[in-house]
Amino acid sequence: GDSVTQMEGPVTLSEEAFLTINCTYTATGYPSLFWYVQYPGEGLQLLLKATKADDKGSNKGFEATYRKETTSFHLEKGSVQVSDSAVYFCALRTQGGSEKLVFGKGTKLTVNP
Amino acid sequence: NAGVTQTPKFQVLKTGQSMTLQCAQDMNHEYMSWYRQDPGMGLRLIHYSVGAGITDQGEVPNGYNVSRSTTEDFPLRLLSAAPSQTSVYFCASRSDGQATPYFGPGTRLTVT
Repeated sequence: GDSVTQMEGPVTLSEEAFLTINCTYTATGYPSLFWYVQYPGEGLQLLLKATKADDKGSNKGFEATYRKETTSFHLEKGSVQVSDSAVYFCALRTQGGSEKLVFGKGTKLTVNP
Repeated sequence: NAGVTQTPKFQVLKTGQSMTLQCAQDMNHEYMSWYRQDPGMGLRLIHYSVGAGITDQGEVPNGYNVSRSTTEDFPLRLLSAAPSQTSVYFCASRSDGQATPYFGPGTRLTVT
């Protein structure tokens, strides 16, 4: 079945460091790919998305590129801030209109000043 | 727009009790769904609906019941609560043209 694997956390960085959170997936066809962010005590917010191969999603300085050849959608940010501390989830929705989102287990990021 | 709202925010139940988690959206979205979030497991789909009067099971439907009598509301019923249902529950909705849903703020449920 479809699955998402993302790097285990927690990840601890200093402010202004470079961030990469790896995400790979298994799915048939061309799924849509997403990164969600969950700040402490809050619900999930869509951070960025890509719906076809080679698309780059970007938002708030975060970027991720849909790589069909490596089945990956790694999240990157060039310079993290303390306010980026949160849990990040990679997710996919399969081609064909299935309502189910398949989530990775989440990666907790802590950014220290 | 208030977006997706959920009540209550927190709930403690005893084993065997029943309750309903409420979810409402004011965006006229056709699709609504319920997920549960457990530590180290990401989110898993419980039930979903593609429109009023139409519901279907997700990945982990056992112990839960849903109905969709209106476009706006999609309540989740726990028939007889069990400790394994201790979790954070998220409701989500989207329109037919959207790839991704909006999530509500969640309900944290503890079953003792």
